[in-house]
Amino acid sequence: GQNIDQPTEMTATEGAIVQINCTYQTSGFNGLFWYQQHAGEAPTFLSYNVLDGLEEKGRFSSFLSRSKGYSYLLLKELQMKDSASYLCAFMDSNYQLIWGAGTKLIIKP
Amino acid sequence: GAVVSQHPSWVICKSGTSVKIECRSLDFQATTMFWYRQFPKQSLMLMATSNEGSKATYEQGVEKDKFLINHASLTLSTLTVTSAHPEDSSFYICSAPVGGPLAGGPSETQYFGPGTRLLVL
Repeated sequence: GQNIDQPTEMTATEGAIVQINCTYQTSGFNGLFWYQQHAGEAPTFLSYNVLDGLEEKGRFSSFLSRSKGYSYLLLKELQMKDSASYLCAFMDSNYQLIWGAGTKLIIKP
Repeated sequence: GAVVSQHPSWVICKSGTSVKIECRSLDFQATTMFWYRQFPKQSLMLMATSNEGSKATYEQGVEKDKFLINHASLTLSTLTVTSAHPEDSSFYICSAPVGGPLAGGPSETQYFGPGTRLLVL
């Protein structure tokens, strides 16, 4: 079967670093996505990993280990505007996106 | 990045009426578009895949006759909620893939429209 899991909620301090984990199980895999969704808005694309390793993009980095079915999103130098839900999703063998429930990130001053 | 628009952004309607939501890819062509629904504090739920020039593919549990999808051109897909009821009140979001296998490229990104908030009274 297929499933994907990420923590429901995390809290971090402004200026700090936070890592949001995502684990998944699937027989067919065509990449893993991270999206940011502010309350009341549609998701916006953050990153795509299809090969193992770390992809860095400014303050945000995403890591993938296909053998472990594991990914994380790393946010550095946290800002208040980073308060949002972070959604991970993998693309299965039918090119369908399977979504996690999202991690609500709360940033405190 | 690619731009996807949705119209309207807000709809309030009476129970029993039909509501049409448009999803447009503004600067690229999309043979496939996806329609999602999201209830408060819940994850995105894929409702259907809209295919240009052919019938939409609906996810299990989604009523085809209630949620009519038309993908008449390479830049426009419409979702019509027929005979809407209060339980249909939700945030409806469309997305279109750019790049990747569905568009002949090596990697794919889903670009989302801004969403349509539907409230059925």
